[in-house]
Amino acid sequence: AQTVTQSQPEMSVQEAETVTLSCTYDTSESDYYLFWYKQPPSRQMILVIRQEAYKQQNATENRFSVNFQKAAKSFSLKISDSQLGDAAMYFCAYRREGAQKLVFGQGTRLTINP
Amino acid sequence: NAGVTQTPKFQVLKTGQSMTLQCAQDMNHNSMYWYRQDPGMGLRLIYYSASEGTTDKGEVPNGYNVSRLNKREFSLRLESAAPSQTSVYFCASSEALFRGADTQYFGPGTRLTVL
Repeated sequence: AQTVTQSQPEMSVQEAETVTLSCTYDTSESDYYLFWYKQPPSRQMILVIRQEAYKQQNATENRFSVNFQKAAKSFSLKISDSQLGDAAMYFCAYRREGAQKLVFGQGTRLTINP
Repeated sequence: NAGVTQTPKFQVLKTGQSMTLQCAQDMNHNSMYWYRQDPGMGLRLIYYSASEGTTDKGEVPNGYNVSRLNKREFSLRLESAAPSQTSVYFCASSEALFRGADTQYFGPGTRLTVL
């Protein structure tokens, strides 16, 4: 069974600094997709970024980028120029090709210090 | 577009009571999902509906039933609530691209407490 592990329950960063959240996953599949979701105190789950496993180029969305290491089964999220509004729980998720199910990690709580 | 909406936002039940959580999406998505979120465990899939007229069990289906009422609506029913079902429940929907980065979009959640 596929599993997703986020080994950092909590992280903190100074405003305007850069922070990296870690995610590893276990799968025997070659075709799959990876996602980072943000959950602010409002509870709404918001898609931050997604990565197709067949793409070697790392995905970027404005201040958010990923470091996708397929061989190492690692998918970290880098947030540059951290802002107070980035404070939230961040969840890494995996979906294999052809499946409906998303498998989530346990989440990392990110605090931004002003 | 409202996206994915859920009702109610909060609910308190007594053990043994029943209730239905409602979910609707206006994005013309084919697939819909119900998840529960417990502290320290991320989200776990309860049931999903790949398309109108079909439903399938996820990781933790026991104690729940679902109905895909039409393409827009997908409800989750607790027939006899138990304290172990205290959780935050999320509905989600997606286009159901079986190839491609099919993205799930989430509702705001329902916080359910069973006493």
